[in-house]
Amino acid sequence: RKEVEQDPGPFNVPEGATVAFNCTYSNSASQSFFWYRQDCRKEPKLLMSVYSSGNEDGRFTAQLNRASQYISLLIRDSKLSDSATYLCVVNMEVYGGSQGNLIFGKGTKLSVKP
Amino acid sequence: DTEVTQTPKHLVMGMTNKKSLKCEQHMGHRAMYWYKQKAKKPPELMFVYSYEKLSINESVPSRFSPECPNSSLLNLHLHALQPEDSALYLCASSQEGAGKRNTEAFFGQGTRLTVV
Repeated sequence: RKEVEQDPGPFNVPEGATVAFNCTYSNSASQSFFWYRQDCRKEPKLLMSVYSSGNEDGRFTAQLNRASQYISLLIRDSKLSDSATYLCVVNMEVYGGSQGNLIFGKGTKLSVKP
Repeated sequence: DTEVTQTPKHLVMGMTNKKSLKCEQHMGHRAMYWYKQKAKKPPELMFVYSYEKLSINESVPSRFSPECPNSSLLNLHLHALQPEDSALYLCASSQEGAGKRNTEAFFGQGTRLTVV
């Protein structure tokens, strides 16, 4: 089983649609969770961290379910500029509390059409 | 704009060449990373430096040699690469994770490497 799995996509949605991305991770020792966005031929950029209590940033809502090892990202009122690949990222701290390895999902491509 | 700066942005090199990729950050981060990303694939970790010491080497071939001269700089020395090593090489940095959760990483714009 892959460490971080995401919906394969691509997601093609009209402007204004609500779209949800799902992600599961296999290692229960995972400590930190993020959604990154990557535009074509650009570097990944942090979209938002994901907290156990869930968090919202404007049109974006992220949720974490540790029991199910499941992370989600909801985008409301999608814009043309939201078109990108969305990467689910999990950080498992190395034993001893040092920084760990960011494990990336394969990414889900979103295309928002007019 | 990213606060992690990588040079060069593009590099074409022959299989017998020696070149270096450079990465710099001034955010006071003590963890720095090299990732490799092939087209339509997610980034794959190559190396992690923590407090200027190599802490993770993901079984990367010796033709890739990392170096961390100080807390702000990270280099990747390349020698005798193969065409299949052509990829986007991403540098990233984060706060040292000890005792900290949600230590997000910030990426540079990458060096697009082509080996001919």
